[in-house]
Amino acid sequence: AQSVTQLGSHVSVSEGALVLLRCNYSSSVPPYLFWYVQYPNQGLQLLLKYTSAATLVKGINGFEAEFKKSETSFHLTKPSAHMSDAAEYFCAVTTNTNAGKSTFGDGTTLTVKP
Amino acid sequence: NAGVMQNPRHLVRRRGQEARLRCSPMKGHSHVYWYRQLPEEGLKFMVYLQKENIIDESGMPKERFSAEFPKEGPSILRIQQVVRGDSAAYFCASSDGTGGDEQYFGPGTRLTVT
Repeated sequence: AQSVTQLGSHVSVSEGALVLLRCNYSSSVPPYLFWYVQYPNQGLQLLLKYTSAATLVKGINGFEAEFKKSETSFHLTKPSAHMSDAAEYFCAVTTNTNAGKSTFGDGTTLTVKP
Repeated sequence: NAGVMQNPRHLVRRRGQEARLRCSPMKGHSHVYWYRQLPEEGLKFMVYLQKENIIDESGMPKERFSAEFPKEGPSILRIQQVVRGDSAAYFCASSDGTGGDEQYFGPGTRLTVT
């Protein structure tokens, strides 16, 4: 069984400030972890993924995430928020034993204030 | 290289009618996943299919919903006798089936039941 918890359904930051979106996972086997971004009325776009290589993963648009097994976390960060980062972000987990079926968190809506 | 295609993008049905949602996976992908996103919620897994086979339908409602992925043609998610609670965005994703490979999402079909 696998699950994902995203802490904070809404996060608001000022433009230029640090972005931190939290994700904790649960998995009985080694997980693969993903962050997706969804803009209004669009599908999901992959930001980055962890597949058991480097624990610090760099993605598109300046985002990165660090896999911490001891904390079962995969938090998403960006040093400096841009107005265009305003969107909904989803953390997802899958495993090799689950044939690629992903379990998604409930999402975090990021608002960027000017 | 065309991505995952879904049609229609928007679908309006009256209560009791049937809704058919289509998904063409990315070229070379033989694994298709359907998710439902209710307003203000995350994505919930519905069904996972390979060509001519349903692999996991643990997220599908027991009645009125069915899915197929024929040898030729797109995957179809069919909802019979729609009710207002079926109004949601339905997303299709495809992958090559390995746990570590991300799923590529289509733009979604937004179903409105009046």
